[in-house]
Amino acid sequence: GPKVLQIPSHQIIDMGQMVTLNCDPVSNHLYFYWYKQILGQQMEFLVNFYNGKVMEKSKLFKDQFSVERPDGSYFTLKIQPTALEDSAVYFCASSLDGGAGDTQYFGPGTRLLVL
Amino acid sequence: GDSVTQTEGLVTLTEGLPVMLNCTYQSTYSPFLFWYVQHLNEAPKLLLKSFTDNKRPEHQGFHATLHKSSSSFHLQKSSAQLSDSALYYCALSGRYNVLYFGSGTKLTVEP
Repeated sequence: GPKVLQIPSHQIIDMGQMVTLNCDPVSNHLYFYWYKQILGQQMEFLVNFYNGKVMEKSKLFKDQFSVERPDGSYFTLKIQPTALEDSAVYFCASSLDGGAGDTQYFGPGTRLLVL
Repeated sequence: GDSVTQTEGLVTLTEGLPVMLNCTYQSTYSPFLFWYVQHLNEAPKLLLKSFTDNKRPEHQGFHATLHKSSSSFHLQKSSAQLSDSALYYCALSGRYNVLYFGSGTKLTVEP
C-alpha cells in the first residue's frame, strides 16, 4: 500500500533547542497531518495542511510549532524552542483529498525525547 | 465535541476464539469510523472504514458494523490468529477530516 516515510525515527534533544521532523508523504496526496502521542496515551491531532496553509489546528499546536512544505519537498514540523512536554511520538499522515472520511496513511513516527 | 471510547485497554485471547473489540463514539456530525492496526514500531495501518450505506466492511477476516442508534463500531473476527496480536485503534473522522482516536486496545493472541 501507499507509504509515508518519516525522518528521523528517533531524536534526542536538549530543552530549548530547535528540532525539525520530516515527513515524506504519499506522492500524489494533497493533504497532510501531524498527530502527537505521549507514551501511554492516545494519538491526538495537531495540525493539518493543504495548499501551503494550515487548515485546522488543535490546542496542542502551540506557538512554538510551525509546519511547511516548501516546493513539494518534505512536509515538516518544526518546534522552536522545545520543552520537556514535547517528548512524544509524532506521526505524520497524508490523504489524497481532505474530504470527510478520506483515508489517511500514516508514517511509522518520530520518537522525540527532550531532555 | 468529537470523541471515541475504547473500553478495553488489554485483551488476551486463545488462538481460534472469536475477537470483539469495543468502540463507541460521540460526534456532532454523521462521521466516518475507522479501525487502524499498529504492530510494534510500525505505522498505524488502515484495517477497516465504515461505508456511507449499510454495507459491512471486511478485511483480513475482520469486520465491523456501524450502528448509528448506539453510536458503535465494534471490531469482530470469528477466529483469532497469532498474527492478529497488535494494537488496535478506533477513530472517527471529523471536520476537516481530522481523526479523533480512541485510547487503543492491545490484543494478544496466545497459542
